[in-house]
Amino acid sequence: SQTIHQWPATLVQPVGSPLSLECTVEGTSNPNLYWYRQAAGRGLQLLFYSVGIGQISSEVPQNLSASRPQDRQFILSSKKLLLSDSGFYLCAWSVGGTSGRHTGELFFGEGSRLTVL
Amino acid sequence: AQKITQTQPGMFVQEKEAVTLDCTYDTSDPSYGLFWYKQPSSGEMIFLIYQGSYDQQNATEGRYSLNFQKARKSANLVISASQLGDSAMYFCAMREGPGDKIIFGKGTRLHILP
Repeated sequence: SQTIHQWPATLVQPVGSPLSLECTVEGTSNPNLYWYRQAAGRGLQLLFYSVGIGQISSEVPQNLSASRPQDRQFILSSKKLLLSDSGFYLCAWSVGGTSGRHTGELFFGEGSRLTVL
Repeated sequence: AQKITQTQPGMFVQEKEAVTLDCTYDTSDPSYGLFWYKQPSSGEMIFLIYQGSYDQQNATEGRYSLNFQKARKSANLVISASQLGDSAMYFCAMREGPGDKIIFGKGTRLHILP
């Protein structure tokens, strides 16, 4: 069966420090991968998504970046965190290639709660 | 421009009543998919129901049904016989190609009253 793990679950970082959130999917190949951010009590903002290794689409210009060094690994990074980067970060995957009967349903990780002080 | 609009920030509903959560969307892609997810206070995201743009019938999953009105670009979630455990945040989402981008609305917080 497929599983998704993201870590760390919780972190507190000072302004200006770097960030690395990691997400790994197991039990499937060539998944679509996504990073979302949810501010407190708000909706999910799509940050990045990837349909293959080295293919990253950025949705919101900001100080965050994403990389996909391996087929089932998705990393969210920042060189210098801002206060506004605080939030709940969710990694998700879906079956790649949804032109058929796949719905494209997202499977979410447990989330990473980031507090920037 | 907002592509997924959920106009109800919060709703209070009596237990056992039916509830409709509104969602409108905007896309020029003829092939798209619509989803509803539930997020309890624990933060996990729970998939509820899916509707494809070419599906002729409204999707149903147990107590959940999706009222899909393509011409109006609306995809409302209907929960029949609400339960206390239905209290949560509900998100409408849309997948549009190419690239399988999936975007979410701002959500509706549903409170079920005993």
